[in-house]
Amino acid sequence: LAKTTQPISMDSYEGQEVNITCSHNNIATNDYITWYQQFPSQGPRFIIQGYKTKVTNEVASLFIPADRKSSTLSLPRVSLSDTAVYYCLVGETGGGADGLTFGKGTHLIIQP
Amino acid sequence: SAVISQKPSRDICQRGTSLTIQCQVDSQVTMMFWYRQQPGQSLTLIATANQGSEATYESGFVIDKFPISRPNLTFSTLTVSNMSPEDSSIYLCSVVGGSYGYTFGSGTRLTVV
Repeated sequence: LAKTTQPISMDSYEGQEVNITCSHNNIATNDYITWYQQFPSQGPRFIIQGYKTKVTNEVASLFIPADRKSSTLSLPRVSLSDTAVYYCLVGETGGGADGLTFGKGTHLIIQP
Repeated sequence: SAVISQKPSRDICQRGTSLTIQCQVDSQVTMMFWYRQQPGQSLTLIATANQGSEATYESGFVIDKFPISRPNLTFSTLTVSNMSPEDSSIYLCSVVGGSYGYTFGSGTRLTVV
């Protein structure tokens, strides 16, 4: 599994766009990039997954450059409820034969 | 995606005792995963539970300390045995939840005193 590096913490304000970048220099050809969100006292929740270019869903966008050595999770117009820890994971998807390897994550704090 | 019910949600236990955590899924799944999240830390995979066979443990975790049962395709238990204060953590179960992505239970917050 490719190792990931992301900022330990970030601060922003309500209504702003927040971009969290994750580095994964050793990403393999078969690896996907997946982001999870974890609120206090809850298990992680799947946010978005991508392989290359850009993926967008109702929650976030994921930007992946051509070399795939990094990725950026973009949260549009954040609110206080987006305060959480965000994890970037890299690995093969599907199958469900392997558990996940979590890095330290980014603790995002949104202020009024 | 799958819905997971995990019990208990929290417990305070005496050192030297054991606690069994239950994980019930609303659909049949092949693999179930157990994680530990120590205070202020990220999640660490403890073991993978496959129905009908012994669980597979990650480095640093052993069956005597964390025995796992997987009696059917919707249920699993994790026991934390002979507990010490260092076992105080959140324990979570997880399954493959849908097209991609894993679904997690809400966790069991264990405090050992």
